[in-house]
Amino acid sequence: AQKVTQAQTEISVVEKEDVTLDCVYETRDTTYYLFWYKQPPSGELVFLIRRNSFDEQNEISGRYSWNFQKSTSSFNFTITASQVVDSAVYFCALSEAPVYNTDKLIFGTGTRLQVFP
Amino acid sequence: EAGVAQSPRYKIIEKRQSVAFWCNPISGHATLYWYQQILGQGPKLLIQFQNNGVVDDSQLPKDRFSAERLKGVDSTLKIQPAKLEDSAVYLCASSLAPGSTYQETQYFGPGTRLLVL
Repeated sequence: AQKVTQAQTEISVVEKEDVTLDCVYETRDTTYYLFWYKQPPSGELVFLIRRNSFDEQNEISGRYSWNFQKSTSSFNFTITASQVVDSAVYFCALSEAPVYNTDKLIFGTGTRLQVFP
Repeated sequence: EAGVAQSPRYKIIEKRQSVAFWCNPISGHATLYWYQQILGQGPKLLIQFQNNGVVDDSQLPKDRFSAERLKGVDSTLKIQPAKLEDSAVYLCASSLAPGSTYQETQYFGPGTRLLVL
């Protein structure tokens, strides 16, 4: 069965600190996709990144970076030099290959990040 | 490009009343999803449409929830009668139609916050 675990419920940091959000997933499929979404207080889920199971290359986008390791079934997210605007709930999600067109996202419980000035 | 639109943004009703939510997906997106997000949890898929056909409604409580997507564009989710445990944020998302093995990214609307008293 598919499962996503975000063990960190809440993290607090001071501005300019680096912070890593952990995500561990379970799936029996060899083809799957992993996602990170940001949910600010306004409530909308904002897409950050998508990774497929065949691409283990790490990715950097500005202050954001992602570390995908199939050996440990982890897809961790690091924010470098955090800012107050990074304060939000971050969700990791998993989806298996859309056989029969169903491709629902399985979300973790989220990590609330608070960045203090 | 306009994002996913939802209305209303907030709704307060009493238990046993009925309520309806509306969603307009991103133009050109064939697939539409309704997710339920209970406070402190990640979103959970209720129903997925591709064009105007249902792809997955396995987690939709069909005794009280219904959804339709007439003409393959807008969608309406209805709850009748509402229960206290239906208090949640209802998120609509849309994506391009997935291929047989390729997962498209889902883009979310701002959600409707429902409180059932």
